[in-house]
Formats: sequence, structure tokens, C-alpha cells
Amino acid sequence: KAGVTQTPRYLIKTRGQQVTLSCSPISGHRSVSWYQQTPGQGLQFLFEYFSETQRNKGNFPGRFSGRQFSNSRSEMNVSTLELGDSALYLCASSVQPTGANEKLFFGSGTQLSVL
Amino acid sequence: TQLLEQSPQFLSIQEGENLTVYCNSSSVFSSLQWYRQEPGEGPVLLVTVVTGGEVKKLKRLTFQFGDARKDSSLHITAAQPGDTGLYLCAGVHTNAGKSTFGDGTTLTVKP
Repeated sequence: KAGVTQTPRYLIKTRGQQVTLSCSPISGHRSVSWYQQTPGQGLQFLFEYFSETQRNKGNFPGRFSGRQFSNSRSEMNVSTLELGDSALYLCASSVQPTGANEKLFFGSGTQLSVL
Repeated sequence: TQLLEQSPQFLSIQEGENLTVYCNSSSVFSSLQWYRQEPGEGPVLLVTVVTGGEVKKLKRLTFQFGDARKDSSLHITAAQPGDTGLYLCAGVHTNAGKSTFGDGTTLTVKP
């Protein structure tokens, strides 16, 4: 069974540009969550999607958005990139939405560098 | 805001030593999970503890959930170089529908 696949693996952008990251969950998983990981802030929750609907959103500006398709694949978009957006963006999938016994399976992440 | 504090932040030990990592919060969680992350990879789930006072063992790793479900600890016996990595705890609050992660403990086990 293939794991969570994130593309691209590495990305270099300049300030003001926009970027789209992709996440393909494990087959049969309908929930996808996105996290931003930086050395200073750790893992910060961005949003969670289930059945094409955003269920929860973290404390990030509106420049960060996402969506989920009918096949459970998800994309996140960051517009008007800032230097502080440089981070490892992690996607995690689960069968059901985040719950006490729900297991999150993470992808290897997309390392975004904003110059 | 449900904050999780992990300690220590960094830990460097010799192979064969024992260690304990702590995860503390002022919030009650539905469950608490421990992950291990290696450089260039995403976190990998090690264990989920749900019941207050619960103890789970995974080979040389022992996980404990506090009675009040606000804190947890990870104890590694006879650490090996392969245990090197970033250990993250994550509190799950079902009502919030998300996992809140601690800042992590970077463990280095020297041969």
C-alpha cells in the first residue's frame, strides 16, 4: 500500500509569488491535514479536509488556502509569499477526521524556500 | 490555546544509557500520541495513549499517560544509535478536531 505522497519535494520561490503543493493520501483515507514545520515554531496546524469540506483551520492568514478533491487528493496554496513562509509543509492522511484513536500518516513533506 | 511543552529540548547520550522525555500541558486531551521524525522525513506514529494512567510498551520504549490526561512521558531503555531522531508528542482534542504538537525533543545517541 503506497504511503502519503507529497509533491514537489523541494521548491524555491521568490517573495510575492504563489505556490501550490499537492498531497495524495493513502488509498481509502478520506481525511487530509496540513501542517507547517519550522525550527522555531515546530509543527503548526494549517487545516483539515474531509470529504471535500474544510473541517478545521489553524491560525494562519488568508494567504494560506486549500482544497480537497473527490478522490481525496488535496492541494494547498500560498499566495503572495513572504520570507517567513519558508518551511517544511507536511501533509497527513487518516481514515476519518482527527479523533482520539485516529492515526495520522505523514508524507515526507515539501521543503519550501522563499528568497 | 492548547500548548504542549516538551523537555528536554535536546538530549545527547551514549549508547546503552536510559532516558526519559516529558510532555506537559495545562489542557486535558482526548488522547496523546508520540511520533518520531528523522531528517528529511515526516513524523511516524509510535503510539497512542487514551486512558489516564495508561502505560504502553513498545520494545525498549515505555509510554505513560498521566492520570489527569494532561501529561505524558516516553522512557527509552538502553538507547541505541538507531533511536536518534526528533521525538514529538501530540495532544488530540476531539472537539477541536486537530492535533496540537509539542516542539519536540532532539535525541542523539552516540555509539
